[in-house]
Amino acid sequence: GESVGLHLPTLSVQEGDNSIINCAYSNSASDYFIWYKQESGKGPQFIIDIRSNMDKRQGQRVTVLLNKTVKHLSLQIAATQPGDSAVYFCAEIWGAQKLVFGQGTRLTINP
Amino acid sequence: GAGVSQSPSNKVTEKGKDVELRCDPISGHTALYWYRQSLGQGLEFLIYFQGNSAPDKSGLPSDRFSAERTGGSVSTLTIQRTQQEDSAVYLCASSDRTGDQPQHFGDGTRLSIL
Repeated sequence: GESVGLHLPTLSVQEGDNSIINCAYSNSASDYFIWYKQESGKGPQFIIDIRSNMDKRQGQRVTVLLNKTVKHLSLQIAATQPGDSAVYFCAEIWGAQKLVFGQGTRLTINP
Repeated sequence: GAGVSQSPSNKVTEKGKDVELRCDPISGHTALYWYRQSLGQGLEFLIYFQGNSAPDKSGLPSDRFSAERTGGSVSTLTIQRTQQEDSAVYLCASSDRTGDQPQHFGDGTRLSIL
């Protein structure tokens, strides 16, 4: 079936550096995408979303890029901080309005 | 609080018992979702409710799973005759409407079946 996946299961970056987390999706009909951050023992926390009529959206220290041609989504985090350490999930609206999540990427910020 | 609230936060029960998990969505949100997250895995959709429409139950893994949403607010997920493979974190989310609004999650119920 259709699925959303992440290229890398783990990512380590130095504090202060920028990080990029990638995501591939396979459902070309999906029109809404969300990035979530999940800390240990917590539920996913909304970071940023993007609709399919856009290719870039910026938030506070985060940018999401959408490339519909190759069905690729990325999350850029600028000037990473220790509090950015978490698992990051991309998700797409698929089928009857439910989200389909990837397996997640664990981001570790090294001091 | 203004967020999605789930209870209990942890539940340990014996195989074969029934369990009920509760979700209080964000006030005013018409859409409510249940997901399951196994250890180290992504989220698996179970069921969603939108207003007074019939729920989408397409993600429920077996007929031992059911959910209700009373009065358009609180929801209960029930698992009957629990099995060890039911052990997971059960997450609830709500949104203002479906389709193009982010879902906001509670912190889940960690269910352990002995």
